[in-house]
Formats: sequence, structure tokens, C-alpha cells
Amino acid sequence: DAKTTQPPSMDCAEGRAANLPCNHSTISGNEYVYWYRQIHSQGPQYIIHGLKNNETNEMASLIITEDRKSSTLILPHATLRDTAVYYCIVRVVGSNYKLTFGKGTLLTVNP
Amino acid sequence: GAVVSQHPSWVICKSGTSVKIECRSLDFQATTMFWYRQFPKQSLMLMATSNEGSKATYEQGVEKDKFLINHASLTLSTLTVTSAHPEDSSFYICSAREGEKMSTEAFFGQGTRLTVV
Repeated sequence: DAKTTQPPSMDCAEGRAANLPCNHSTISGNEYVYWYRQIHSQGPQYIIHGLKNNETNEMASLIITEDRKSSTLILPHATLRDTAVYYCIVRVVGSNYKLTFGKGTLLTVNP
Repeated sequence: GAVVSQHPSWVICKSGTSVKIECRSLDFQATTMFWYRQFPKQSLMLMATSNEGSKATYEQGVEKDKFLINHASLTLSTLTVTSAHPEDSSFYICSAREGEKMSTEAFFGQGTRLTVV
């Protein structure tokens, strides 16, 4: 699976949009981009995933660049409860679903 | 989303004893379950992958005789840490995937905090 690069930490003001970037320049055509988050001392929580089209659900939006070498997770109105480590993971379609977690981005939402 | 439940949420055990952690998929059938370990301030590290009815596949460096995994049914997998030692103290997390759908997300349990004293 392709490697991903994320900034180690980011801050965001409560109520503002949080934009979390992820670089995956070696992504191949059959790899999906997944985002998970982990609130302190809890298991990871699925957020969203996509292949090449932008995706939106009740939690977030995922913007994937046309060349698919990077993506951005957008939390439109961040709350204090969104403070967590956010992981961007790419995965080959058809694999046995091993998820390889990097170090992620610690997003701190400030009041 | 689907629910994966781990039990117990935390456990303290004496060095040399064994501890069993359960992972259940509550509202779906999990053909594949995964076990991760997470040390403080580090990311999740995959320990093993288990498919229902077959032996688990362990990642390099993970001792299969120490971390016994059983996936006897489509809704339950167990991880037994045998002869636990203080260095086995960690946060253990399971995840499960439903059926054979290739693009579905995996669901994670809430984790089990193991402390070996």
C-alpha cells in the first residue's frame, strides 16, 4: 500500500472549518483513500473514503486532487469533540483489508 | 455504522498470568477480524489477521504462541495474551470487516487497556 504523509499537528478554532491535508504521491489506480480518527483512549472511528471523486457524508468531506496524489479532509464546523488524531490511509482494492496506520495528524480544536 | 464491541475495556493482571480479550461484531457477520496494539504516544500496529474458521496470520515480529487468536464464529474473535509480562502492557484494539465487500470500511472496537503488574 502507498505511503501517506500528514502534518503532525494542526489547530483549529471551534466553529471553523478544519482542513486536514494528506499527501499520497505514490498512490496507484486501484487504491482507495480512507480517513479514520482516534479520540484519546478509544478505538479508531471511520470517517470517509473515496477513490477519485470527491465524497461527502454527515461527518466530513473528502477532496481528492485530479492526479490523486493528495487529498484533504474537511470538517465543516469543528467542535471540541473533534479533537483527535486523524489518519489518512491508502489501501489496495482486493487486499485483505489490512490498514497500515501512520502517525496521523493531531487536530486540536480550541474554544 | 456497524458496532464492534470489545471486552473488557481495561484489565490489570499479574505478571505470568494469561488474559483473554473478546471482540464481537454485534450487528453484522465479520469474516475477517484484525488485532492491533498501540503503545503510548504511538500509532496502531497490526498484530494479526484472522479469518473465521482458519488460523490467524501474524505480522512479522509478533509471537503467535504468545498472542493466541481464535476466530471460531462470524461474530467473535478472541486474543489471549499468554504469560503476560509488563512489556505487554498496551492498548489492544480489534477491528472487523463485513463479508467480502472490497470497498467497505472496517469498524473498530473501543479497545482494551492491559496493564501487567
